[in-house]
Amino acid sequence: GESVGLHLPTLSVQEGDNSIINCAYSNSASDYFIWYKQESGKGPQFIIDIRSNMDKRQGQRVTVLLNKTVKHLSLQIAATQPGDSAVYFCAENGEAGTALIFGKGTTLSVSS
Amino acid sequence: NAGVTQTPKFRILKIGQSMTLQCTQDMNHNYMYWYRQDPGMGLKLIYYSVGAGITDKGEVPNGYNVSRSTTEDFPLRLELAAPSQTSVYFCASSLAPGNPHEQYFGPGTRLTVT
Repeated sequence: GESVGLHLPTLSVQEGDNSIINCAYSNSASDYFIWYKQESGKGPQFIIDIRSNMDKRQGQRVTVLLNKTVKHLSLQIAATQPGDSAVYFCAENGEAGTALIFGKGTTLSVSS
Repeated sequence: NAGVTQTPKFRILKIGQSMTLQCTQDMNHNYMYWYRQDPGMGLKLIYYSVGAGITDKGEVPNGYNVSRSTTEDFPLRLELAAPSQTSVYFCASSLAPGNPHEQYFGPGTRLTVT
């Protein structure tokens, strides 16, 4: 089964709102997590990553939070824009650490 | 840099036909990967390579073969196409695994087997 999953398959927000996309993982051995954005018809694009020795990391308009106690990862997007509409995937490096394990994805729809 | 390029963009195969999906990267990355993405699903790893001459199976390798004769190229071969192989195929590369582990993805190949 899926090692990495997402709580909601879809999320709809208004332009300017903050978005929170959640992800639950089950592999305790994973020590590296990534969020990818995939626009329609394109390959996934790196957004932000976090190592297991951190619980928060900020980028430009995005923040990733990691809660290892409950194996939970979240992506926060500030002031969401229509261009943020896409499918968002979380991924972990798993026990082997040689390849990523992807969750199913959350589709974010931003209306203006 | 072109990054990761894939050809073709689209292909329709009949059951039992063969084809090779091409993948090339110009970033001198050691690691390369092939994923498939079924509708509404995440990416599943088919095969990966840690360097020229070295390949290994991922989560869903059955029905596929790969080779890595150069650092730049990582072709994926389908020998006897089946409808279950209808999917979008993504090639990716990374400098190394572990931390950091950013993978760069190609634009994908959409394959339909009928």
